Amino acid sequence: DTEVTQTPKHLVMGMTNKKSLKCEQHMGHRAMYWYKQKAKKPPELMFVYSYEKLSINESVPSRFSPECPNSSLLNLHLHALQPEDSALYLCASSQEGLAVSYNEQFFGPGTRLTVL
Amino acid sequence: AQKVTQAQTEISVVEKEDVTLDCVYETRDTTYYLFWYKQPPSGELVFLIRRNSFDEQNEISGRYSWNFQKSTSSFNFTITASQVVDSAVYFCALSEVYNQGGKLIFGQGTELSVKP
Repeated sequence: DTEVTQTPKHLVMGMTNKKSLKCEQHMGHRAMYWYKQKAKKPPELMFVYSYEKLSINESVPSRFSPECPNSSLLNLHLHALQPEDSALYLCASSQEGLAVSYNEQFFGPGTRLTVL
Repeated sequence: AQKVTQAQTEISVVEKEDVTLDCVYETRDTTYYLFWYKQPPSGELVFLIRRNSFDEQNEISGRYSWNFQKSTSSFNFTITASQVVDSAVYFCALSEVYNQGGKLIFGQGTELSVKP
């Protein structure tokens, strides 16, 4: 199994809702990532987990809350989002812990989020 | 400071034409890694190639080839005999050895449109 899966594919939520995005990989990778991508822009790193511990938070607002319940799963909890948070949210994983710089990242198909 | 520049925002070609996507990078590190990713309309970023800073050999994979030149800090990507399925956004990215977390620094992307 060489893929990263993400659910849901599409999500529409109001500014007062609470929702979660889910990401799963079964490649035995030890680093997992959340990215945010706006249209016509490159992905922007949000969080990195290494060996299930948060190792990087790119100054992301607290309305985004990541969670790594085990080495295969990564969640992103959303609460009180703003319309400008509408974007494609991509999950990725890479083989080594501490996200060694030479490891390629494998990306999921993303969740397209719309905040009304 | 580290930076990746993809000067071509959009390229449009007719099927069977050859096309080269340019990538120029800046880094102070002597050891670093360069990547190319493809993002089709479905959204998932697909890893194409990784090259380390000590390996300047050009690489060919089917219709794809890559030209890495440290002297000009460039890592260009050529598609020979392009096909409609090559239509996508292509990102060049840089990762530095001493950069915490294996953070990928993406270029702005080049949107390639291959018309039949």
